[in-house]
Amino acid sequence: DAGVIQSPRHEVTEMGQEVTLRCKPISGHNSLFWYRQTMMRGLELLIYFNNNVPIDDSGMPEDRFSAKMPNASFSTLKIQPSEPRDSAVYFCASRISGGAGETQYFGPGTRLLVL
Amino acid sequence: AQSVTQLDSQVPVFEEAPVELRCNYSSSVSVYLFWYVQYPNQGLQLLLKYLSGSTLVKGINGFEAEFNKSQTSFHLRKPSVHISDTAEYFCAVTSNNNDMRFGAGTRLTVKP
Repeated sequence: DAGVIQSPRHEVTEMGQEVTLRCKPISGHNSLFWYRQTMMRGLELLIYFNNNVPIDDSGMPEDRFSAKMPNASFSTLKIQPSEPRDSAVYFCASRISGGAGETQYFGPGTRLLVL
Repeated sequence: AQSVTQLDSQVPVFEEAPVELRCNYSSSVSVYLFWYVQYPNQGLQLLLKYLSGSTLVKGINGFEAEFNKSQTSFHLRKPSVHISDTAEYFCAVTSNNNDMRFGAGTRLTVKP
C-alpha cells in the first residue's frame, strides 16, 4: 500500500498567490483529515470529511481557506490569497470510518512557505 | 472538549537508558488515547493506542504506555532506548466526537 500521498511536498509562493495542496487517502479509507503544524500552535485539525462530506470545519482559520473532497480518492486544501502567517506544514490523514478509535494514517506533509 | 498536556518539551537521554514521556489529558467523557512518533521531515506514525480493556498497552519499537484513569495520564515508556528513537513524540486524545487533540510534543534525543 502506498500510504497517504500528498503533493507537492514543498511549496514556496509569494503573498497573495493561490495555493492548492493535494491529498490522496489510502484506498478503502472513508474519513479524511487536514491538519496544520506550526511551532507556535502545534498540530491543529482544520477540517475532516466522512464519505466525502465535510463534517467539521470549525478549525479552518478563515474564509481564505477552503477544502473539497470531490471523490473518495482525492481532496484539496486551497488558500486564496495566501499570507506569510500561513507558512506551516500541512498534513493529510485518512482512516476507515469505524469510529474515533480507529488509527489515522498520516501523509508526509506539504511544507508551505509564503514570502 | 478534551485536551492533552505533555509535561516535557524535551527529554535528553543516553542510549540504552530507560525513558518515560509524560502525558496528561482532560475530558468529561470516555476517551481514546494515542501516541504518535514523528521523525524529521515525515508524517506522524502510530506507536500505540488505548481504546478499552487492559490499561497496559504495548506498541511498536518496544514502547508501551499505561492508561491511568484516576490520574488522567497515559505515559509512554521504553526500558532501553536506541539512537534511532530520536524523534518527536505526540500524545493525542479523542472521543466519539472525532475531534482529535494533540499535545505540543516531546522531543526525545538519544545520545551515544
